[in-house]
Amino acid sequence: GAGVSQTPSNKVTEKGKYVELRCDPISGHTALYWYRQSLGQGPEFLIYFQGTGAADDSGLPNDRFFAVRPEGSVSTLKIQRTERGDSAVYLCASSPNRGSGELFFGEGSRLTVL
Amino acid sequence: KNQVEQSPQSLIILEGKNCTLQCNYTVSPFSNLRWYKQDTGRGPVSLTIMTFSENTKSNGRYTATLDADTKQSSLHITASQLSDSASYICVVSAPDSGNTPLVFGKGTRLSVIA
Repeated sequence: GAGVSQTPSNKVTEKGKYVELRCDPISGHTALYWYRQSLGQGPEFLIYFQGTGAADDSGLPNDRFFAVRPEGSVSTLKIQRTERGDSAVYLCASSPNRGSGELFFGEGSRLTVL
Repeated sequence: KNQVEQSPQSLIILEGKNCTLQCNYTVSPFSNLRWYKQDTGRGPVSLTIMTFSENTKSNGRYTATLDADTKQSSLHITASQLSDSASYICVVSAPDSGNTPLVFGKGTRLSVIA
């Protein structure tokens, strides 16, 4: 596609539920990043994929968070047993290659846990 | 530890005035530095990129500077407009410094008022 696409744009769920957030990167971009952004804060790194593999998942806050990118394109961020503190905007970005610097961001998925 | 520090955290200026945002980094080795603009509710968009050999780069009313010796960058906005109200995020690229090649600052929240 022309840009990075994220779905859903908004998700409201109840505490304890499972959610999946999807990211469609720009075609051909090998690097894919997930960030979490709380109101008034900068993006907080979660996980970085180079191709199909998670090159760095050190930003995932705990084992309730997991992300996959099975074919090196679309990625899914999965959150189990959601908590109110998980409420944030989850941003996905892709880049043509590792370390090129320019990230192309999606519009984000706003998650609200009630 | 690789870090990017931005100041001020927030700034309010009158329309038509100039302002300067600061970014200090400890990222090493250094590849490039980008400034992103993030409008409320949108994903960040790249404004400008600075490489090691560049001191100044302009993009319209935005001028970025880089001092690689002191590891400081600034973003100067001239004749501000209401549409400049956004968060400005400094991102340093260091592809050889570990798994995750990008280090984000927390951003400066700029509000331009009439």
